[in-house]
Amino acid sequence: KAGVTQTPRYLIKTRGQQVTLSCSPISGHRSVSWYQQTPGQGLQFLFEYFSETQRNKGNFPGRFSGRQFSNSRSEMNVSTLELGDSALYLCASREGAVGNTIYFGEGSWLTVV
Amino acid sequence: AQRVTQPEKLLSVFKGAPVELKCNYSYSGSPELFWYVQYSRQRLQLLLRHISRESIKGFTADLNKGETSFHLKKPFAQEEDSAMYYCALTGSGTASKLTFGTGTRLQVTL
Repeated sequence: KAGVTQTPRYLIKTRGQQVTLSCSPISGHRSVSWYQQTPGQGLQFLFEYFSETQRNKGNFPGRFSGRQFSNSRSEMNVSTLELGDSALYLCASREGAVGNTIYFGEGSWLTVV
Repeated sequence: AQRVTQPEKLLSVFKGAPVELKCNYSYSGSPELFWYVQYSRQRLQLLLRHISRESIKGFTADLNKGETSFHLKKPFAQEEDSAMYYCALTGSGTASKLTFGTGTRLQVTL
């Protein structure tokens, strides 16, 4: 099976712009979660989707949003980008709602200038 | 609030020496604890979880609820163990909401 796939892998945006990151989970996985990784804050949970419904949300401002499609693919969007949004954004998937191993993608490197 | 603390940013050991990566947690309830590893230029991957009580690549970790710790141990370090190690927890009902520690870089030298 292919692993969790994230696109784009690298991107540079300007302050004030918005960005959309995409994640394709492992085939058959219905849960997708997103994390932000920065040198200062480490790995922080953004949100989780299961069967197109948001199940959990981390402590991020409303500029961070996400969605999941019927094929379990997920996107996250960050609007009005700030310099501090520069980070590695990781997507992870799991087969069910609970109890299964979480598999991570390689991440999308976002640089805001 | 739940929290995971990994006090060491860097742990440097010689090949063949014992390894102990420390992890302490704070959680009001029954958490599930994990160790994740990230080798150079690879994605983050699960190393082990406390409910499995298994040994992976020679590593073990025991959940000590009294001390709220979940230290990762290996009796004899190998060069290929050099990596970034993250301790993480999740609570019941929030199975995909992992709270990570800041990570410890393990460096195994000859």
